[in-house]
Amino acid sequence: DTAVSQTPKYLVTQMGNDKSIKCEQNLGHDTMYWYKQDSKKFLKIMFSYNNKELIINETVPNRFSPKSPDKAHLNLHINSLELGDSAVYFCASSSFRGGSYEQYFGPGTRLTVT
Amino acid sequence: SQQGEEDPQALSIQEGENATMNCSYKTSINNLQWYRQNSGRGLVHLILIRSNEREKHSGRLRVTLDTSKKSSSLLITASRAADTASYFCATRQGGSEKLVFGKGMKLTVNP
Repeated sequence: DTAVSQTPKYLVTQMGNDKSIKCEQNLGHDTMYWYKQDSKKFLKIMFSYNNKELIINETVPNRFSPKSPDKAHLNLHINSLELGDSAVYFCASSSFRGGSYEQYFGPGTRLTVT
Repeated sequence: SQQGEEDPQALSIQEGENATMNCSYKTSINNLQWYRQNSGRGLVHLILIRSNEREKHSGRLRVTLDTSKKSSSLLITASRAADTASYFCATRQGGSEKLVFGKGMKLTVNP
């Protein structure tokens, strides 16, 4: 059984388009995250939700909007895509909030903006 | 802001040898975690060590934490080709909600 799943795995799109990435976890965790990993493998937190409440909102362009319909799902919508948005986006979850617990990562979504 | 810095940035060893990776950080932490990332995959949690712990073991992994030097090391004993991956340390700072990841270190274990 897949613990944290993301769709799609690959996303190729043109500048200016709007796209969404979906994430689901079946671990019963309360907290979910979005990370961005750039071409140099640097991993940076973008957002975190705990029981559908936004608890971490890093300095990312407001073209990025997370949505958590329930605690098992966290989606990421990106408006007006730019070349610099090309990266691998990872969803993760943990049993509780606060960074003191191990995080379970999804397989990643490789976004390429042309 | 980036917290952890893994050292060395890349390491290549032969199967059966031990691999040691170091992580240094700048501010006081609540805990430090190590993760592995295989090529094209998500990160996998390896081990978590809290700020009041000095050493922890899990299978072939041994992690140490020296809060006075703000550093941690990850030792993989009797390495296998399957250990080839990038390894990241991540820290939770003080009252922060988030984990801050280092740049990662690429380990290659040659069969």
